[in-house]
Amino acid sequence: EPEVTQTPSHQVTQMGQEVILRCVPISNHLYFYWYRQILGQKVEFLVSFYNNEISEKSEIFDDQFSVERPDGSNFTLKIRSTKLEDSAMYFCASSGQTGFYGYTFGSGTRLTVV
Amino acid sequence: RKEVEQDPGPFNVPEGATVAFNCTYSNSASQSFFWYRQDCRKEPKLLMSVYSSGNEDGRFTAQLNRASQYISLLIRDSKLSDSATYLCVVNRVLTGGSYIPTFGRGTSLIVHP
Repeated sequence: EPEVTQTPSHQVTQMGQEVILRCVPISNHLYFYWYRQILGQKVEFLVSFYNNEISEKSEIFDDQFSVERPDGSNFTLKIRSTKLEDSAMYFCASSGQTGFYGYTFGSGTRLTVV
Repeated sequence: RKEVEQDPGPFNVPEGATVAFNCTYSNSASQSFFWYRQDCRKEPKLLMSVYSSGNEDGRFTAQLNRASQYISLLIRDSKLSDSATYLCVVNRVLTGGSYIPTFGRGTSLIVHP
C-alpha cells in the first residue's frame, strides 16, 4: 500500500534554531498538507499546498513557517526560529482528487524544542 | 459552536459490547465526512468515509444526517484491538474546489476483557 514517508521521526532542537521537517507524499497525489498535534490535543491544520503554491493556511502558520516542494518528490516544512510552544507532532498528509475521498497521513515527526 | 464537536469520552466498554460515537459539525456547506482512528502517538488512519445513505464495513457502521449536521459511528462486537481514539473529520470546501479537513478532538475508546 502506498504511504507517506516523514523524516526524521524525532527531532530535538534548541529554542531559536531552524528546523526542516521532510515528507515524501504518495507519488501520484497532487495535494499536500501539514498538520500539527500538541500532546493531548486535537490535530490542527497548518497549510495546504497544490500546484507549487500554498492554497490555504491557518492562523498558526505565521511568518516563521514556510513550505517548499524543492524537487518534485519532497515536501518540506521549515520553522525558522523555534519556540518552546512549537513542540508537537507534525504530520504530513497527501491526497488525490482534491481530498474529497480522504487523506493519507505520514507517521509524523515529533519535534521537541528545549 | 465549534466546527467539529465530539464527546471526548473515554468510553470504557467490555469486549463484545456495542458502542456509538457522535459528532456534530457547524458548517452546513461541508461536503465529505470521515472517521479516522488514531492510536497513541501514531498518525490518524482512515477508518471509513461517511455517506448520506449510511455505510457499513464489517462491524463498523457510519451514518450522516445532513439536516441535523450530525455524524455517527457504531462499533459492534468490540474487540480489545478497537481501543483507540476515533476522530471525526469534516471536509470544508475552498473557493478553488479543493478541501481542507477539520478534525474533532476525538473520542477515546477503551475495550476491556
